[in-house]
Amino acid sequence: QKEVEQNSGPLSVPEGAIASLNCTYSDRGSQSFFWYRQYSGKSPELIMSIYSNGDKEDGRFTAQLNKASQYVSLLIRDSQPSDSATYLCAVDNAGNMLTFGGGTRLMVKP
Amino acid sequence: GAGVSQSPSNKVTEKGKDVELRCDPISGHTALYWYRQRLGQGLEFLIYFQGNSAPDKSGLPSDRFSAERTGESVSTLTIQRTQQEDSAVYLCASSLSGTGRAFFGQGTRLTVV
Repeated sequence: QKEVEQNSGPLSVPEGAIASLNCTYSDRGSQSFFWYRQYSGKSPELIMSIYSNGDKEDGRFTAQLNKASQYVSLLIRDSQPSDSATYLCAVDNAGNMLTFGGGTRLMVKP
Repeated sequence: GAGVSQSPSNKVTEKGKDVELRCDPISGHTALYWYRQRLGQGLEFLIYFQGNSAPDKSGLPSDRFSAERTGESVSTLTIQRTQQEDSAVYLCASSLSGTGRAFFGQGTRLTVV
């Protein structure tokens, strides 16, 4: 059973702070890793992808991958109230089925 | 259109009736997923289609649920003899084979009364 685990939260951070979202996965063969954002009442949307160990930055977002520890994280710098949403971690194994974690609810307070 | 299209957007049905939900994936996307999302809950995997391979039906909660896909195009999810616990948003997503970058439709909100 391939599993992707996330703390459900809510994670509450003040506006302007760094939000750190974490995800662990069980399948060592996993090769592709994704972060999706889902606003309340909306569908998930892809915001970041990462394929190799290390950091990948895109604007205020940084995805971090450590395959040895089977750990993926998403950092959001200068958090804004508009970042308040549920963040879903997803893992893909060589083009096989995408497996989602349960999501972490982030609340950014003004 | 350029995105994943689902219909209907909303469906209210009486308990015991059958319903059919439709998903039009992005053209060229060989992978197609169905998920269920109950209010305030996470994504619950239902079924996965990949090209001409046999679908992964491991997430279907009961034999009342079935899904079909015509080639690499439209998919329909059928729920027979609907129950109140079937009330949820049903989400469809598609992706290019091997990329894992899935794009979601707007969902169908199903309410069983």
